Amino acid sequence: NAGVMQNPRHLVRRRGQEARLRCSPMKGHSHVYWYRQLPEEGLKFMVYLQKENIIDESGMPKERFSAEFPKEGPSILRIQQVVRGDSAAYFCASSPRDGEKLFFGSGTQLSVL
Amino acid sequence: SQQGEEDPQALSIQEGENATMNCSYKTSINNLQWYRQNSGRGLVHLILIRSNEREKHSGRLRVTLDTSKKSSSLLITASRAADTASYFCATEGTSGSRLTFGEGTQLTVNP
Repeated sequence: NAGVMQNPRHLVRRRGQEARLRCSPMKGHSHVYWYRQLPEEGLKFMVYLQKENIIDESGMPKERFSAEFPKEGPSILRIQQVVRGDSAAYFCASSPRDGEKLFFGSGTQLSVL
Repeated sequence: SQQGEEDPQALSIQEGENATMNCSYKTSINNLQWYRQNSGRGLVHLILIRSNEREKHSGRLRVTLDTSKKSSSLLITASRAADTASYFCATEGTSGSRLTFGEGTQLTVNP
């Protein structure tokens, strides 16, 4: 059973471009979470999704950021018109149900030039 | 906000010593979890303690939870150099299922 898979591992974008981060949860997991981490800091919650539904997006910036978890395929975190402040490590995690531990991917390091 | 806050921010000890990290939070929780992160990697789950539990053990790990003080501690006994990592507590609130992480404790175990 493969773990949570995130790709790409590293992503470099210029200001104004779009960034797409992908996350495939563990097999059998229907809950997906996205977190952002700045250097030397903890993880900041962004969004919680179940298949085809956004359950909690209270941590998502109101503009430029969106997330989806379609019926088929990976979850996608999309950042439009990236700015330097978007540079961070973005982690995806999955769980089989509420109240359970999270399994994390290795993260995508986004660098905005 | 029920963000966990770890204490200390950084801890440096010698191999064989015990390491204790503390976590405080602000609101009611369903459970509290501890995770470990090696530099540049994803987080790995260590242990989960539910709000009706007071203590849990897993190998060299011991976690306590005091809901009256809204605090938890993680004890690593007989530490090893390989335990060097950042350790985070995370709380799941009673009103939602997302985990809220603290800022972490950077543990360095010197050989």
